Amino acid sequence: GAVVSQHPSRVICKSGTSVKIECRSLDFQATTMFWYRQFPKQSLMLMATSNEGSKATYEQGVEKDKFLINHASLTLSTLTVTSAHPEDSSFYICSARPRPSSPLHFGNGTRLTVT
Amino acid sequence: AQKITQTQPGMFVQEKEAVTLDCTYDTSDPSYGLFWYKQPSSGEMIFLIYQGSYDQQNATEGRYSLNFQKARKSANLVISASQLGDSAMYFCAMRVQGAQKLVFGQGTRLTINP
Repeated sequence: GAVVSQHPSRVICKSGTSVKIECRSLDFQATTMFWYRQFPKQSLMLMATSNEGSKATYEQGVEKDKFLINHASLTLSTLTVTSAHPEDSSFYICSARPRPSSPLHFGNGTRLTVT
Repeated sequence: AQKITQTQPGMFVQEKEAVTLDCTYDTSDPSYGLFWYKQPSSGEMIFLIYQGSYDQQNATEGRYSLNFQKARKSANLVISASQLGDSAMYFCAMRVQGAQKLVFGQGTRLTINP
């Protein structure tokens, strides 16, 4: 149980375009989802907390106009990287927990390459 | 502020040996939880084990155990009888009461040699 699905797993886009990444909780409802970013050989850094039906909470230093988050339902959160640039190339991974006391369950991640 | 420190960037161990991955943490909150995740080269994050700050016993899950030393603020992961499939990045993480997010350490790359 507690499966989190993320799509796409890999995307290559041209500089200046926008890319949408989906995160779904398949067998539980998640009022909150978390978006992390991971550079090569580095740790996971929390970008933002996605809240169903309300605005996302962004971590310090994360541009909310560049990384648009929408959490329109209890099972889906999306991250849109707008006007992507090569420095946005990274591994993006979402997570959620079925209950407050549960550990976070992660999607398989999306590797974004901006050319 | 909460902080997690993993001081071993890389570890090399012979197959079937036990290995200890170090993790120290810093928080002023008396209620917190400590987690270990495994990240293979494919990228997914796999939950391994959890230890609550008020738990009296060290957590165990199969070949994984957590050596929790509260006074020293350490939560080391012990993998017994290591296998080739244990080769991966391992991350220690912390969650404090009232916060939903996890803060991760820098990670340790474990390589199991045949």
